[in-house]
Amino acid sequence: EAGVTQFPSHSVIEKGQTVTLRCDPISGHDNLYWYRRVMGKEIKFLLHFVKESKQDESGMPNNRFLAERTGGTYSTLKVQPAELEDSGVYFCASSLGSYNSPLHFGNGTRLTVT
Amino acid sequence: ILNVEQSPQSLHVQEGDSTNFTCSFPSSNFYALHWYRWETAKSPEALFVMTLNGDEKKKGRISATLNTKEGYSYLYIKGSQPEDSATYLCARRRDDKIIFGKGTRLHILP
Repeated sequence: EAGVTQFPSHSVIEKGQTVTLRCDPISGHDNLYWYRRVMGKEIKFLLHFVKESKQDESGMPNNRFLAERTGGTYSTLKVQPAELEDSGVYFCASSLGSYNSPLHFGNGTRLTVT
Repeated sequence: ILNVEQSPQSLHVQEGDSTNFTCSFPSSNFYALHWYRWETAKSPEALFVMTLNGDEKKKGRISATLNTKEGYSYLYIKGSQPEDSATYLCARRRDDKIIFGKGTRLHILP
């Protein structure tokens, strides 16, 4: 079974530009989560999809961040316009959905905003 | 406790010694407690998901216990090996979020 895949693995952009991160969850996993780790700190929750619906997006820092999951398969996270403080590692994780299901993480996208 | 808290933040253990560390969490509205192992340059990997008070789970030399009434979980590593060096994360499901602690960074000394 293929794991969670994220693209790109690294992205370097200038302040004010737009970047779109993609996450392909494990096939059949309805639950998809986005997290980010900034400056080596803890993993912070961004949002949670169940299929194509946003269950909780309370962790999204501001309206420069937009996440979508059209069709309930892959998800994208767009940052527009990017700011310096958006730099960090963005992780995607998926799970089968029951509350006792573990998260399966992708390898993350390292975003650097210069 | 409002959030997931882990202690200690960092730990150095001699190879062959056993060790344990703690995850504390709000005990109200409890659903599940997760433990993950995160090696440098990799992504977190699930160790355990625990749901019931008094639960004990084991995977090889690693085991975990859960007390949902007082809001804590212990992770134990028996006979530490170099490959155990990693950050150990615990996470608590709260409503539709899974919230992580800051982790315990474990260093195994040869």
